[in-house]
Amino acid sequence: DSGVTQTPKHLITATGQRVTLRCSPRSGDLSVYWYQQSLDQGLQFLIQYYNGEERAKGNILERFSAQQFPDLHSELNLSSLELGDSALYFCASSVVMGWNEQFFGPGTRLTVL
Amino acid sequence: AQSVSQHNHHVILSEAASLELGCNYSYGGTVNLFWYVQYPGQHLQLLLKYFSGDPLVKGIKGFEAEFIKSKFSFNLRKPSVQWSDTAEYFCAVTSYDKVIFGPGTSLSVIP
Repeated sequence: DSGVTQTPKHLITATGQRVTLRCSPRSGDLSVYWYQQSLDQGLQFLIQYYNGEERAKGNILERFSAQQFPDLHSELNLSSLELGDSALYFCASSVVMGWNEQFFGPGTRLTVL
Repeated sequence: AQSVSQHNHHVILSEAASLELGCNYSYGGTVNLFWYVQYPGQHLQLLLKYFSGDPLVKGIKGFEAEFIKSKFSFNLRKPSVQWSDTAEYFCAVTSYDKVIFGPGTSLSVIP
């Protein structure tokens, strides 16, 4: 157990819908990172927040957005869902702002039908 | 553009065999290098990392990796694998504002 929690574990929805994935970082960690893992794209970095502020952006689509709240939990919002958005979405946390060891959550498996 | 490649998609070894998983990256600036492992049904966890200093780094569970700057490589090694090493292994490279993971290598160790 890494100490990072993600909810829900599984999510099944339809095209065009909007979903929210939630992540609670390890106690004391200020950075939250979001990743998408799919068979064809591998593990892709989406976005990072540090202490409530966006710090780094990767291959995140405009239909996706994220935020980090004052209690440091984070939410990833996916809208206008397409079949290709079906993937495993991981959250990771770290105590630092930069790129040191990240502790990964168990992931949320999103299926878009 | 930055990229990370891993030489093998799937490796099958017998227990006690030696392991070497290749990782190459393309980026001209300063990087930090990582190997993560994902055991079946578990979350990704850090095996080892390189930031600076001795290019031979040791990680958990007997793994080590060598950073060869001239070859842009960071290969993972273990002298003798065990069945419990069966997992997916990911190389990752970070620069100031991004991280790129390799496509992963699936290792199957046969008892």
